[in-house]
Amino acid sequence: EVQLVQSGAEVKKPGESLKISCKGSGYSFSTYWIGWVRQMPGKGLEWMGIIYPGDSDTRYSPSFQGQVTMSADKSINTAYLQWSSLKASDTAMYYCARHKQYLGRPPGHGDYWGQGTLVTVSS
Amino acid sequence: DIQLTQSPSFLSASVGDRVTITCRASQGISTFLAWYQQKPGKAPKPLIYAASTLQSGVPSKFSGGGSGTEFTLTISSLQPEDFATYYCQQVNNYPFTFGPGTKVDIK
Repeated sequence: EVQLVQSGAEVKKPGESLKISCKGSGYSFSTYWIGWVRQMPGKGLEWMGIIYPGDSDTRYSPSFQGQVTMSADKSINTAYLQWSSLKASDTAMYYCARHKQYLGRPPGHGDYWGQGTLVTVSS
Repeated sequence: DIQLTQSPSFLSASVGDRVTITCRASQGISTFLAWYQQKPGKAPKPLIYAASTLQSGVPSKFSGGGSGTEFTLTISSLQPEDFATYYCQQVNNYPFTFGPGTKVDIK
C-alpha cells in the first residue's frame, strides 16, 4: 500500500528554522517526484515545488523560490521541506504528494497525498 | 505562469442534483489537468487526471472533460459525501498551478 506519512505539527517563533518531513512507503521512492503544497488557513491550495528523489532535481514555484528549500534522502525514503527563518505568514498546513515521472515532460498529478503538517509561527 | 479560473466559486445544490464545475486555463494545456476533492481538515483527494481519466477507486458518478483551455468536472447525482471543495490543477508546465476552488454546499 502506497503511503506518505508526514511529520507532526510544529509551533515555532518568527526567525526560527524548521524542517518537516514526508516519508514514502509501499513504492519505489526514488522513481516518483514529491511535490509540496501550502494551504493557508481558510484558503486554497498553492503549489510550492517538486523534487525527484532519484537525483534531487528540484523545481520551485517562483512564489516560493528562495523562501524554502526542498531536499530528499532516498536512502530513507524521505523528502523534506525546510525554512531557515520562519515568518508569521508561513503559518499554514503543508502537504506532500507523489507525482509520477514521465520522460521528456513534467510529472503527472499528485496521486497519493500525505496527511499534512500544520506549521504555526507565532511570537 | 498558467492561471486557472474556476466557476462558479460557490455552488449550492441538493442531493441528487447533477452539477458541473468549469476550469479555464490562461493558455492551452492539452489535457494535462487534474481535479481534486477536499473536505475540511483533510488532504486533497485526486478524482480525475489527464482531464478525463478517473483515479482508481473513484466512483463513476464523477466525470471530467475538455482540452486546451476549458475543462469540466461533473458529478452526476450529488450525494451527502460529495459536499466539499473542488480544485483543478494543471501539470502541463512549471510552476504547476491550482484553481481557486469551488465549494459545493447543501441547499
